[in-house]
Amino acid sequence: KAGVTQTPRYLIKTRGQQVTLSCSPISGHRSVSWYQQTPGQGLQFLFEYFSETQRNKGNFPGRFSGRQFSNSRSEMNVSTLELGDSALYLCASTRGGTGELFFGEGSRLTVL
Amino acid sequence: GIQVEQSPPDLILQEGANSTLRCNFSDSVNNLQWFHQNPWGQLINLFYIPSGTKQNGRLSATTVATERYSLLYISSSQTTDSGVYFCAVVANYGGSQGNLIFGKGTKLSVKP
Repeated sequence: KAGVTQTPRYLIKTRGQQVTLSCSPISGHRSVSWYQQTPGQGLQFLFEYFSETQRNKGNFPGRFSGRQFSNSRSEMNVSTLELGDSALYLCASTRGGTGELFFGEGSRLTVL
Repeated sequence: GIQVEQSPPDLILQEGANSTLRCNFSDSVNNLQWFHQNPWGQLINLFYIPSGTKQNGRLSATTVATERYSLLYISSSQTTDSGVYFCAVVANYGGSQGNLIFGKGTKLSVKP
């Protein structure tokens, strides 16, 4: 069974640009969550989607947004990038019933 | 919100030694997971253990939910065990399945 797949793995952007990251969950998992990891703040929850609806949202500005498609694939977007948005962005899918999360390899974003 | 504290923050071991990592949480939880973050950033699932005891090879974990702590035991450590170990929980109140709250991690270094 394939794991959680995230693309792209690495990307470099400049301040003011926007970026879109993609996540394909494990087959059969309907919930997808996104996390940001930085050296200073650690691992922080961004948002969770279930059946194309945002179920929960962390404490991030409106520049961070996401969506989920009918096949459970999810995208997150960050607009007007700032230097502080440089981070590892991790996506997870949730096994229904147990609530166990499984993470992808992450997308490492560098903002110059 | 719920607080998750991990100890020790750093741990250096000689290969073959045993260790215990601790995770304290400030409120009742309905999910607790232990992860190992590899050098490339991926979070590898070790245990899904909201309560009770589990073992997987040289690793075992125990969660005492009523006392709000979990322990991860690593026996006969190997250099490949090096990395950061995270404990993460979902709060019983106010949390959703995909909203994990992470501790700051324990950085383990195993010397040959």
